[in-house]
Amino acid sequence: AQTVTQSQPEMSVQEAETVTLSCTYDTSESDYYLFWYKQPPSRQMILVIRQEAYKQQNATENRFSVNFQKAAKSFSLKISDSQLGDAAMYFCVLTGANSKLTFGKGITLSVRP
Amino acid sequence: EAGVAQSPRYKIIEKRQSVAFWCNPISGHATLYWYQQILGQGPKLLIQFQNNGVVDDSQLPKDRFSAERLKGVDSTLKIQPAKLEDSAVYLCASSRDRGLETQYFGPGTRLLVL
Repeated sequence: AQTVTQSQPEMSVQEAETVTLSCTYDTSESDYYLFWYKQPPSRQMILVIRQEAYKQQNATENRFSVNFQKAAKSFSLKISDSQLGDAAMYFCVLTGANSKLTFGKGITLSVRP
Repeated sequence: EAGVAQSPRYKIIEKRQSVAFWCNPISGHATLYWYQQILGQGPKLLIQFQNNGVVDDSQLPKDRFSAERLKGVDSTLKIQPAKLEDSAVYLCASSRDRGLETQYFGPGTRLLVL
């Protein structure tokens, strides 16, 4: 069985500052993907970043980057230069060969102006 | 490239009424998913299609929910009759194929059952 744990329910960051969202996971599969999805109040699920487990290099997308520690089964998201539009629920998500997405409980990020 | 389209965006109905949601996946995507997301929770997979065939509907309440993807492109999800606990956001997603793929989500349909 796959599990994803996001232990922090809420975080807050000052605009223009950097924040890191934590996630740990467990899977018995050797090949898998990890994602961070963002869900603003509109409730659309928006892909932020993807990490393939076989890649050693951490994924980056503009202001978003991950710290993927495969041995520790840790997958954190760093948001640099935080903007008001970054305020949302963030889900850490794991998928394997069966296409099923395993979601963490999510973390609510607020951005202070 | 156009994203996943869904309609309607909002729907309010009374319990015991029926409702239908529509989804148009990203062009060329063979796999389509319907999720139910209750407020405060992560999405729950209701059904997965591969082209026009059902891959997984193990969590679909089949006494009241039905879904189809007749031509392997658009899909509809129906609830009949609706219950109060069906109030949720219904998300449609698509991926290029099954297996290790990225799922892209539509804007969702917010359903309120009174």
